[in-house]
Amino acid sequence: NAGVMQNPRHLVRRRGQEARLRCSPMKGHSHVYWYRQLPEEGLKFMVYLQKENIIDESGMPKERFSAEFPKEGPSILRIQQVVRGDSAAYFCASRSAGSGRNEQFFGPGTRLTVL
Amino acid sequence: GENVEQHPSTLSVQEGDSAVIKCTYSDSASNYFPWYKQELGKRPQLIIDIRSNVGEKKDQRIAVTLNKTAKHFSLHITETQPEDSAVYFCAASKGVNSGGYQKVTFGIGTKLQVIP
Repeated sequence: NAGVMQNPRHLVRRRGQEARLRCSPMKGHSHVYWYRQLPEEGLKFMVYLQKENIIDESGMPKERFSAEFPKEGPSILRIQQVVRGDSAAYFCASRSAGSGRNEQFFGPGTRLTVL
Repeated sequence: GENVEQHPSTLSVQEGDSAVIKCTYSDSASNYFPWYKQELGKRPQLIIDIRSNVGEKKDQRIAVTLNKTAKHFSLHITETQPEDSAVYFCAASKGVNSGGYQKVTFGIGTKLQVIP
């Protein structure tokens, strides 16, 4: 049973370009969370999605950031017109809808560097 | 919304000593409290968790305690080893029995260094 997959693992973009981060949840998991982690800082919640639905995007900036989790395929976190402040590690986590708790399994992260 | 505070932010202990990390939460409806360990450059991994109907849980050298009244919970690592060196995050959440919606709020993290 493969764990949570993220790609790319490292992404370099110039200011103004777009960044697309992908997350494939664990098999059978229908809930995906995205977090941002700045160096030496904690995990900041960005968005929570279920298949085809955004449940909570309260942690995501209103501009330039968007997320989706289509019926088929991975969840995508999209950052348009990147700025240097977007440089961070972006982790996704998934969980099963059927579990009696909220255990989340994290992917290896995508480290975004904006030049 | 939920607010989780964690301290200390850094902790150095001698190998073999115990380490304690403390967290407080604000939402009395939170009922699930996981702890994650993140080694340098790696993903966070769940090491232990506790639900609000339990006051203490132990797994080998790791234990968690929960005080619902005071809204605080702690991680205890005994007989620390160099491989315990990592960043530890506490978190709080309402579980699936709380209306279906779940969001985990993390503490800021504690960087633990175990000195050989």
